Amino acid sequence: GNSVTQMEGPVTLSEEAFLTINCTYTATGYPSLFWYVQYPGEGLQLLLKATKADDKGSNKGFEATYRKETTSFHLEKGSVQVSDSAVYFCATRTRTGTASKLTFGTGTRLQVTL
Amino acid sequence: DGGITQSPKYLFRKEGQNVTLSCEQNLNHDAMYWYRQDPGQGLRLIYYSQIVNDFQKGDIAEGYSVSREKKESFPLTVTSAQKNPTAFYLCASSPGHEGGAQYFGPGTRLLVL
Repeated sequence: GNSVTQMEGPVTLSEEAFLTINCTYTATGYPSLFWYVQYPGEGLQLLLKATKADDKGSNKGFEATYRKETTSFHLEKGSVQVSDSAVYFCATRTRTGTASKLTFGTGTRLQVTL
Repeated sequence: DGGITQSPKYLFRKEGQNVTLSCEQNLNHDAMYWYRQDPGQGLRLIYYSQIVNDFQKGDIAEGYSVSREKKESFPLTVTSAQKNPTAFYLCASSPGHEGGAQYFGPGTRLLVL
């Protein structure tokens, strides 16, 4: 089945620094890719997605590009804020017959300080 | 407002007791999912349902049961057979398009007394 590997955290940055969180995947074909964000004590929120190769997903200043050559979907933001402190999950879609599931990475904790 | 609700926010289970976690959605999504999240870990799929009256086991279904009698509702029962139930439980739903994106509820934290 599909799998996702994320860089281990925590990632600690100063406010306004550049953010990269690495995500690579293994999959059959070209599945949809997602980034989710989880704030403490809450559920996951869909941050952005890309459904085919070379697509760029973007939202709230975050971006990720679906790179089939490197099987990667790295999350980037040009200038992080303290409010971006959270856990970020990369995920890939897995199809099993008519069923559609998501396979998640283990998450990367981001801590932004003043 | 459309969304997914989970209740209760916190749930306490005594030894040998079955408990049921509620998940309701008014997004008109066909598919619904239950995940378990342990501290510092990713999400593991417990059960999922693509349509009403049908559901499949996920990766860690042992000790859990579900039903899907209505499109809007997908309750999860944690049975006494689940020996390590303490975790954060997340419900999600998916419209079937949007590339397979899932939308999550706020979660229920289950603690054992």
